Amino acid sequence: QSVLTQPPSASGTPGQRVTISCSGSRSNIGNNPVNWYQQLPGTAPRLLIYSNDQRPSGVPDRFSGSKSGTSASLAISGLQSEDEADYFCATWDDSLNAVLFGGGTKLTGL
Amino acid sequence: QLQLQLSGPGLVKPSETLSLTCTVSGGSIISSHYYWGWIRQPPGKGLEWLGTIYYGGGTYHNPSLKSRVIMSVDSSKNQFSLKLSSLTADDTAVYYCATHHGAYCSGTNCYPHYLEHWAQGTRVTVSS
Repeated sequence: QSVLTQPPSASGTPGQRVTISCSGSRSNIGNNPVNWYQQLPGTAPRLLIYSNDQRPSGVPDRFSGSKSGTSASLAISGLQSEDEADYFCATWDDSLNAVLFGGGTKLTGL
Repeated sequence: QLQLQLSGPGLVKPSETLSLTCTVSGGSIISSHYYWGWIRQPPGKGLEWLGTIYYGGGTYHNPSLKSRVIMSVDSSKNQFSLKLSSLTADDTAVYYCATHHGAYCSGTNCYPHYLEHWAQGTRVTVSS
């Protein structure tokens, strides 16, 4: 069981907006920036959001991130079929001295 | 554009040691801009960070695997490597190497920042 908690699944239809949550504690999300990764089927993860709300070049502005206290969220607006993937949050944990990943959320229905 | 190429065996026997090598192109292994990380993903499961190394030999380890993991950097070949010992079936996974975007520092505490570039993973099966 992951220290960072994500819902195992989320669903949406094309054009909709969906939000994926990531819940942690003070020693991880509470104290450190959160990053999000997208993993399309059969491929390596890809950086989607870094430092809570920053998008790397090439990532559409349909993807946005936020953090409040010990939780973070990834929002995807204007859902497209190619957004069907697994999404992982990640951050550093000061107590464990480790990089932590959330368990991942599978986005389906597109 | 930085690129990573991961190489290693597809099948290893229980109790043996897994050796993986990640070759870097489009950038230097000795650059202070990058830290070099290892991640794995068991079949049908999520991502697990194994450890990170930066040039100069500094390392960060997953506490649950620390006794079994050795990481190294070879500047002459622009490569970094992972050795995972005492393998069991639970080590069966897709393994990835990746770059961190340097370090994130908060006060005097510094740690690997986000994972920026990923290699295509390699599937490793532990079986006799």
